Amino acid sequence: DAGVIQSPRHEVTEMGQEVTLRCKPISGHNSLFWYRQTMMRGLELLIYFNNNVPIDDSGMPEDRFSAKMPNASFSTLKIQPSEPRDSAVYFCASSWGWGSYEQYFGPGTRLTVT
Amino acid sequence: DAKTTQPNSMESNEEEPVHLPCNHSTISGTDYIHWYRQLPSQGPEYVIHGLTSNVNNRMASLAIAEDRKSSTLILHRATLRDAAVYYCILKANNAGNMLTFGGGTRLMVKP
Repeated sequence: DAGVIQSPRHEVTEMGQEVTLRCKPISGHNSLFWYRQTMMRGLELLIYFNNNVPIDDSGMPEDRFSAKMPNASFSTLKIQPSEPRDSAVYFCASSWGWGSYEQYFGPGTRLTVT
Repeated sequence: DAKTTQPNSMESNEEEPVHLPCNHSTISGTDYIHWYRQLPSQGPEYVIHGLTSNVNNRMASLAIAEDRKSSTLILHRATLRDAAVYYCILKANNAGNMLTFGGGTRLMVKP
């Protein structure tokens, strides 16, 4: 299995531009997670999907952030408009089942907003 | 979620055992203890998890105190590739698959 796939791996954009991050979970997994990691705040859960339905989006920082999961094999995290404070590494993770199961993380997308 | 406390950093010599402690004095009866690690420039990866009994797998061992208020991740022979940030996380079994990461312990391995 290829693992969790994220694209792009690096993104540099200017303030005010729209940014779309993409994630392909591991086939057969029914839970998908978006995290953000910064030096100041560490690793934070942004949103969590189960069976393509958003379960908990309390970590989404503000309305500029939105996430979708149109099917079991694809999810997007969109920032519109982007701001310099959105600069971070964004990780996508997937897992199977409900309960104490391990999560598999992708390699992350490093976002820089200038 | 119940809180965990870990040392900010630890050092180890290569090929020696490493004991990474975690305190979780407010753990509840349904909380599992998970350990993840994050190698430099990579996403976190699962290491091990347990509920009450000690657990072993190919990567590490997890020793859980009898009162479950603390646990220790044991790397039996540290290698340079084990240098990473190690996170101890409590997760209730009814909380879906959500994980709340704390600051973790940065493990440095000296050759």
